[in-house]
Amino acid sequence: EIVLTQSPDTLSLSPGEGATLSCRAGQSVSSGYLAWYQQKPGQAPRLLIYTASYRAGGIPERFSGSGSGTDFTLTISRLEPEDFAVYYCQQYGSSPWTFGQGTKVEIK
Amino acid sequence: QVQLLESGPGLVRPSQTLSLTCTVSGASITSDDYHWGWIRQPAGKGLEWIGRIYASGSTIYNPSLTSRVTISVDTSKNQFSLNLNSVTAADTAVYYCARDNGALAYWGQGTLVTVSS
Repeated sequence: EIVLTQSPDTLSLSPGEGATLSCRAGQSVSSGYLAWYQQKPGQAPRLLIYTASYRAGGIPERFSGSGSGTDFTLTISRLEPEDFAVYYCQQYGSSPWTFGQGTKVEIK
Repeated sequence: QVQLLESGPGLVRPSQTLSLTCTVSGASITSDDYHWGWIRQPAGKGLEWIGRIYASGSTIYNPSLTSRVTISVDTSKNQFSLNLNSVTAADTAVYYCARDNGALAYWGQGTLVTVSS
């Protein structure tokens, strides 16, 4: 299975700042089939980005994804108060689908 | 708008079978465009994909669970189900159902299942 490693584990930032989250795969992710999710306490994850760079429906433009092969990035251009949460990457290029361990974006 | 809702016992005894159902609304479970899956999350931990069922009825499971898991569909009720047998405390988690087209665009709210005697 493909192991996904996210960095950093925790990101402490202030509202208005930008955030850069990394997801590195142990082997190349087929066809760039890499998704990003946001999860808040007590809620199900919400799909933000699919196929590395495509925003899901209703996702604000401040969220963007990039990358290919083994290195992927989620960028939040300017953090809004509602963006403080845990973010997961997931690959679905080869079975079993796997998730990264998560990056917590917390208020500084 | 696609909606999913998990249901089932919140407490399962060790060595017994965990059984959950996901009721889908806003989409036909038999549509060739969609597949359906299960994901779980132990408290305070990350996400683990359990498996999915294709519109054709074929299934694919996480190798870590394949000997214990079955996913099936009830087309008459627009539902799909998860059975996980021989459970232990390590299977205690919030279980989510989702529309699984690779990327998981629609999720249920999740249901906590505790394995305890």
